[in-house]
Formats: sequence, C-alpha cells, structure tokens
Amino acid sequence: KNEVEQSPQNLTAQEGEFITINCSYSVGISALHWLQQHPGGGIVSLFMLSSGKKKHGRLIATINIQEKHSSLHITASHPRDSAVYICAVESGGSNYKLTFGKGTLLTVNP
Amino acid sequence: DAGITQSPRHKVTETGTPVTLRCHQTENHRYMYWYRQDPGHGLRLIHYSYGVKDTDKGEVSDGYSVSRSKTEDFLLTLESATSSQTSVYFCAISDLGGGARDEQFFGPGTRLTVL
Repeated sequence: KNEVEQSPQNLTAQEGEFITINCSYSVGISALHWLQQHPGGGIVSLFMLSSGKKKHGRLIATINIQEKHSSLHITASHPRDSAVYICAVESGGSNYKLTFGKGTLLTVNP
Repeated sequence: DAGITQSPRHKVTETGTPVTLRCHQTENHRYMYWYRQDPGHGLRLIHYSYGVKDTDKGEVSDGYSVSRSKTEDFLLTLESATSSQTSVYFCAISDLGGGARDEQFFGPGTRLTVL
C-alpha cells in the first residue's frame, strides 16, 4: 500500500506570497494528482502528472520520480486560493485507483 | 464541468436502516469510484467499477456494497447503517480520453449522518 504524506498540514500566507506544498510517497507510481477542495465544497482536479512539470495560470506542479516527491507551487497567492490541497497517487495496473494524502489547509490572508 | 450528480445530497438516518446513495454521470466514462472523506483520514476508496457489472473493493469496503447495472449509474448501499459510517461520500468518474488517462472528476458529495 502506498503511503502518501503531505507537508505542511496547515499553511497561512499573506496575499502575494509564493506558496509551496509538498507530497511524498513510498512506492513507485504511474501518475500523481493534485486536487483542490474549497470549504464545504466539491473537489476539483488541478493536475495529473507522471513526469516533469505542468503549469496552469499561477499554479505549477512538479514531480521527481526518483525521489518520490512532488510539489505544488502557487505564485502571487490570493485569498481565493484558500482551500485544502490534496495529493493523490495512482499505482500502475490499479484500474486508476487513487491513494490520497490527508491534505494541506491553505489560508491566504488579504 | 463534468456531468456527475449525487443523490441525495444530505441524509440523516438511524442505526440499522438500509441506505442507498446514487451517483449518476452523463459523460459515458468507464470508471466510477465511491470514496468517503473523514477528518484525520482524508479520502478513502470504498468500491470502484471498471465497467457495467464489473466492480471491486477498495480499502474500506466492509459494510458497503455497490452495483452498476448501466454505464451512467453507480449505487452505493449500506445494508445496515452504523454510526461509524457517518461521513461525506464522494463519487468520481474517469476514462481513457484520446489515448491518455483522464483525470478523476468528482461529484458534489453526499453528507450522511447515522444516529
């Protein structure tokens, strides 16, 4: 069973700051997902990646397969980025089942 | 947004009663998943389906059963609800799009309280 650890558990930032959330996992994977969940809300997929780096707007996700580590970066953070960010990994041949980290609660203050 | 709905959105029931949650999709996606989300545990897979009538267990399947008689519907049944099954339940779908794996799209969730 893949163990997925996220750090930090909680993060408070000021508007405009650069944010980094980390995710590490224990067993080789076929893909890694980053998800966003707003308070009381639904879950939205941000990225799915298996190598390198992806960028959507102010969000950047990177993965290092050898080190079993991924990071989610938010540039020029904004209060609307306040949410729980969840890392999930997909193991090969698994019918695309996901194992999730416990999430990182990000609060961005104006 | 992916066409995925869950019903009911909220339910309060008593211990020992049967409960069925429905997930409905309009995307014709092959894979469907049921998760529960609890404080301190994050999301955990209950059951999943990889096609009509094809289902398998996840990591927390005890006390739950599922059925998928058509592509668009995936039902989760608690045969005899217990207080430990109080949780928020999410359905998700995914598929193989254009030769590459797709992301998972999540439904809005069902908040279930078992008294």
